[in-house]
Amino acid sequence: DQQVKQNSPSLSVQEGRISILNCDYTNSMFDYFLWYKKYPAEGPTFLISISSIKDKNEDGRFTVFLNKSAKHLSLHIVPSQPGDSAVYFCAASDSGNTPLVFGKGTRLSVIA
Amino acid sequence: ETGVTQTPRHLVMGMTNKKSLKCEQHLGHNAMYWYKQSAKKPLELMFVYNFKEQTENNSVPSRFSPECPNSSHLFLHLHTLQPEDSALYLCASSQDQTHSRSSYEQYFGPGTRLTVT
Repeated sequence: DQQVKQNSPSLSVQEGRISILNCDYTNSMFDYFLWYKKYPAEGPTFLISISSIKDKNEDGRFTVFLNKSAKHLSLHIVPSQPGDSAVYFCAASDSGNTPLVFGKGTRLSVIA
Repeated sequence: ETGVTQTPRHLVMGMTNKKSLKCEQHLGHNAMYWYKQSAKKPLELMFVYNFKEQTENNSVPSRFSPECPNSSHLFLHLHTLQPEDSALYLCASSQDQTHSRSSYEQYFGPGTRLTVT
């Protein structure tokens, strides 16, 4: 049973517009969430994270929102750029008691 | 460049071959991980080493055998693999596997694309 779900396998967005990538989780013990970005032929790279004591974390064009009651988080990229085209993985942890659990990823294509 | 290197980048092997994947990290980390990425599946954790001790073995078949001689190096020894083992194998490292937040941020290598024929 998947504990971290990214239900959209792909997303296409126009350059300059907002990209919203979604992630749902089932384990209520998860308290730290991360987004990773992966280009072809490279390993995933850490992008941004959020602790369960917050509901928003912002870093430049990237903002992650956490809705604990809905067990849902989202990554907003604004404005989207062609270089943002990649696969984005959501990951979750329960205070390090178990290793990170990853979703299947969402492929984002930003069209110029 | 994440500070984690993996060799080889591509590997084709027959089902009776024995080969090894190598991972090296230059970040001073103490935890290292092997993941398997198959098409349309989440990243699957295989093994975790923390301070050279294996702390996780995620029900991985014995045809995969990890080795961690020191905190900077991690190997995955492969023998009598099956075609369904074809996948991208990713190595990652993190500061350690404690309750420190810094331990959650894993740095990944570029992966080894393995094809079993």
